[in-house]
Amino acid sequence: GAGVSQSPSNKVTEKGKDVELRCDPISGHTALYWYRQSLGQGLEFLIYFQGNSAPDKSGLPSDRFSAERTGGSVSTLTIQRTQQEDSAVYLCASSFGLGNYGYTFGSGTRLTVV
Amino acid sequence: QKEVEQNSGPLSVPEGAIASLNCTYSDRGSQSFFWYRQYSGKSPELIMSIYSNGDKEDGRFTAQLNKASQYVSLLIRDSQPSDSATYLCAVNSGNQFYFGTGTSLTVIP
Repeated sequence: GAGVSQSPSNKVTEKGKDVELRCDPISGHTALYWYRQSLGQGLEFLIYFQGNSAPDKSGLPSDRFSAERTGGSVSTLTIQRTQQEDSAVYLCASSFGLGNYGYTFGSGTRLTVV
Repeated sequence: QKEVEQNSGPLSVPEGAIASLNCTYSDRGSQSFFWYRQYSGKSPELIMSIYSNGDKEDGRFTAQLNKASQYVSLLIRDSQPSDSATYLCAVNSGNQFYFGTGTSLTVIP
């Protein structure tokens, strides 16, 4: 597609429920990243995927968080047993590769855990 | 020590003035540096990239890089109210980028 597409744009969920966030990167971009941004805070790295390599999961805050990328394209970030501190905007970005290429961000998913 | 540090501001400049945004980073091996603009409630948008020491100009924007001092800056000339946003500095370290917390800029008409 023309840009990075994320869905849903907004998600309200009850504490303890599982949620899935979806990211469809720009066609041809091999690298895909997930970040989250809490209100008034900077971007917190969660995970990245590059091609068929094993993902770098070093930023995932707990084992409740997981992500996968199917066929080197669409990615899903799953949060199990959501907690109120998980409330944030989850941003997906893609780029042509790692390191030297700037990201293009999606419009984000605003997650609210009540 | 944070990987990337920015003054959170807010920075206020009058319309038409030069806005100067600064960023320092800790990884001497970093090779790629980016500036993103983020309007309130929106996602970050890439506006400038710089890889070599010196200045890089793009329209009203100039990025400056000094690797010896581990310092990167963004100058916005002839600031406009539409430039009011948060500006994020991003620096690569290995295969990922670290972002500063951003500087909030307000351009006063």
